[in-house]
Amino acid sequence: DAGVIQSPRHEVTEMGQEVTLRCKPISGHNSLFWYRQTMMRGLELLIYFNNNVPIDDSGMPEDRFSAKMPNASFSTLKIQPSEPRDSAVYFCASSLGAEGTDTQYFGPGTRLTVL
Amino acid sequence: RKEVEQDPGPFNVPEGATVAFNCTYSNSASQSFFWYRQDCRKEPKLLMSVYSSGNEDGRFTAQLNRASQYISLLIRDSKLSDSATYLCVVNRYNQGGKLIFGQGTELSVKP
Repeated sequence: DAGVIQSPRHEVTEMGQEVTLRCKPISGHNSLFWYRQTMMRGLELLIYFNNNVPIDDSGMPEDRFSAKMPNASFSTLKIQPSEPRDSAVYFCASSLGAEGTDTQYFGPGTRLTVL
Repeated sequence: RKEVEQDPGPFNVPEGATVAFNCTYSNSASQSFFWYRQDCRKEPKLLMSVYSSGNEDGRFTAQLNRASQYISLLIRDSKLSDSATYLCVVNRYNQGGKLIFGQGTELSVKP
């Protein structure tokens, strides 16, 4: 069975450019999560959706970040304009439901470098 | 103070050793507890949930002390393949699927 799919796997861009990260959750999962991982701050939740509706976006760092989930099988995380401090690994995860006890399955991540 | 704190390690142990990881959490409203494993440059994966009564899965034992807000993971007879970073994770009551991750404890098992 396909797990969570993320693209691209690696992205190198220059400061000021727009970056779009993509995620396809596991089929049948109703919740989708975007995380960012850095050495300094560890793994942080940016935003999560339940049934395509954003539930908690308190982790989104600033207005340069936006996320959408137009349908149950696709989500995007956009950074515009990108800055060097946005360099990190961005993970998407999905789970069957939105309860804390539901196992979250992570995608392989997108390694973003902003020069 | 971070909401979930772990000893970052690294823990360097020989094969066959028993190793214990500790984790503390600051929010008493935390409801669900987990250990995730993350291999180098890979995604985190659920290792096991942690229950109040303690639970075991093969060589792995997890324990929870709600009064002390303390979680532990014990690995017995460690294998080379256990080398990874172990993340302590909590979920707050009434916050749905929002998970709070510790910084992780790095384990290196040597032959």
